[in-house]
Amino acid sequence: GQSLEQPSEVTAVEGAIVQINCTYQTSGFYGLSWYQQHDGGAPTFLSYNALDGLEETGRFSSFLSRSDSYGYLLLQELQMKDSASYFCAVKGNRDDKIIFGKGTRLHILP
Amino acid sequence: DSGVTQTPKHLITATGQRVTLRCSPRSGDLSVYWYQQSLDQGLQFLIQYYNGEERAKGNILERFSAQQFPDLHSELNLSSLELGDSALYFCASSVGADAGELFFGEGSRLTVL
Repeated sequence: GQSLEQPSEVTAVEGAIVQINCTYQTSGFYGLSWYQQHDGGAPTFLSYNALDGLEETGRFSSFLSRSDSYGYLLLQELQMKDSASYFCAVKGNRDDKIIFGKGTRLHILP
Repeated sequence: DSGVTQTPKHLITATGQRVTLRCSPRSGDLSVYWYQQSLDQGLQFLIQYYNGEERAKGNILERFSAQQFPDLHSELNLSSLELGDSALYFCASSVGADAGELFFGEGSRLTVL
C-alpha cells in the first residue's frame, strides 16, 4: 500500500523560514504534490515534484529525494496568512490513486 | 475560484437516508476525483473517474457509489447514511488521468443526525 508521514503541527515566527517534511512509502513513484488548506476552505495546489531536486515558486519551494522517499516544503518570509494546514500527496504508479498525508498545521507567531 | 463547482454546499439529513452530491469539473478537465475529509483528518481518497470511466478506487464503502456522465460532471451517491458519514466531501478535477495538480471545489458539508 501507500502511506505518508508528516508532522502534525509546526510553529514558526512571522518573517522566518519553515520546513515541513514528508516521507512516503509506495510501491512505485509517480510524483509528490503539496497543497495548502485554510480553515473552512478547499485545498489549493502549491507545487509538484516528479524528479529529484528543488522546485521554486515565489516564497514557496519544494524538494524531492526519490532515493530517500522524502520531500519537504519550504516557506520563506512567513506571513500571518500562511497559517494553514499543508498536505503532501503522493501517486505511486501511473494508475494509482493520489493519497494525501494527514496534514501539518502551521502556526505563525507575530 | 478553482472553476470546480460542487452542490449542495451544506446538507443535513437523518440516518438511513440517501443523498447525492454533484460536481462540475473545470472546463476542459476530463478527470474527477472524490475525497472525504472528516474533522481534523486528512483527505481520504474515494474514487477517480477519467472521461466517464472509473480510473482508480480507494476504500469507498459499498453504500457509496459514483459515476461520471458524458458531459463530465460527476455525482457521488451516499446511501443508508450513518452518523460517521458526516464529513466534508471534496471533488477535484484535473486535465489528464495522471496529473500532479488537482483543482478542488469548495466541498459539500454533510451532517447526518
